[in-house]
Amino acid sequence: AQTVTQSQPEMSVQEAETVTLSCTYDTSENNYYLFWYKQPPSRQMILVIRQEAYKQQNATENRFSVNFQKAAKSFSLKISDSQLGDTAMYFCAFIVRYTGTASKLTFGTGTRLQVTL
Amino acid sequence: DAMVIQNPRYQVTQFGKPVTLSCSQTLNHNVMYWYQQKSSQAPKLLFHYYDKDFNNEADTPDNFQSRRPNTSFCFLDIRSPGLGDAAMYLCATSRGDYGYTFGSGTRLTVV
Repeated sequence: AQTVTQSQPEMSVQEAETVTLSCTYDTSENNYYLFWYKQPPSRQMILVIRQEAYKQQNATENRFSVNFQKAAKSFSLKISDSQLGDTAMYFCAFIVRYTGTASKLTFGTGTRLQVTL
Repeated sequence: DAMVIQNPRYQVTQFGKPVTLSCSQTLNHNVMYWYQQKSSQAPKLLFHYYDKDFNNEADTPDNFQSRRPNTSFCFLDIRSPGLGDAAMYLCATSRGDYGYTFGSGTRLTVV
C-alpha cells in the first residue's frame, strides 16, 4: 500500500517570502507520479505541479518548484514570492502507474498555508 | 471549456432520506471517481468507474452506491444518509493515467 505523509498541518508565510511544504511517501513501486494540489476556500482541487518519478530533474511551474529526493522518498514544494492568493490547503498526492487499470490518487492529510501581509 | 461539473453545489438532506449527487464531464475521459472529503481531512476514494466497470474501495460503506449511465454522467447515491456522511463529495475524471480533473464538489449537509 502507498502512503503519503505531510507533517506540517499549518504554516504561515508573509507575502513575498518563500515557504517550503514537506511531504514524504512510501511505496515499493518504481513507476509513479507525485503531485501537489491546491484547494482554496472555494474548494475546487487545482493541480499545482507534477513530478514523474523517473525524471531526476525537479519540476518547476513559475513560482512553484519541488525538491524530489527519490531515495529518501521526499517531495517538498517550494513557493517563492508568496502571494495572498496562495492561501489554501495544499495536498501532496501520489499515483502508481498501472497498465490497463485506472490509476488512483492517494492524498496526504494536507498543509493549510496562510499568506499574510 | 471542457470541464467536470457537479450539481448541486450545496445539498441538504434529512437523516435517512435517500439523496443523489451528480457529476458530468465534457472531457470524454473514460474514468470517473468519487471522493469523500470531511472537514480538514484528505479526500478519500469511495469508488471509480473504468469505462463501464465499477470498482468499489474495500472500506466504502454499502450505504454508498454509484451509477454511470453513459460516458458523460456519473451519480453518487446515498441510500440512508447519516450525520457522519456530511462531507464534501468530489468528482474527478481521468483517462486512466495521472491526468485528473476535479469538479467543484458538492457539500452535503444531513439534518
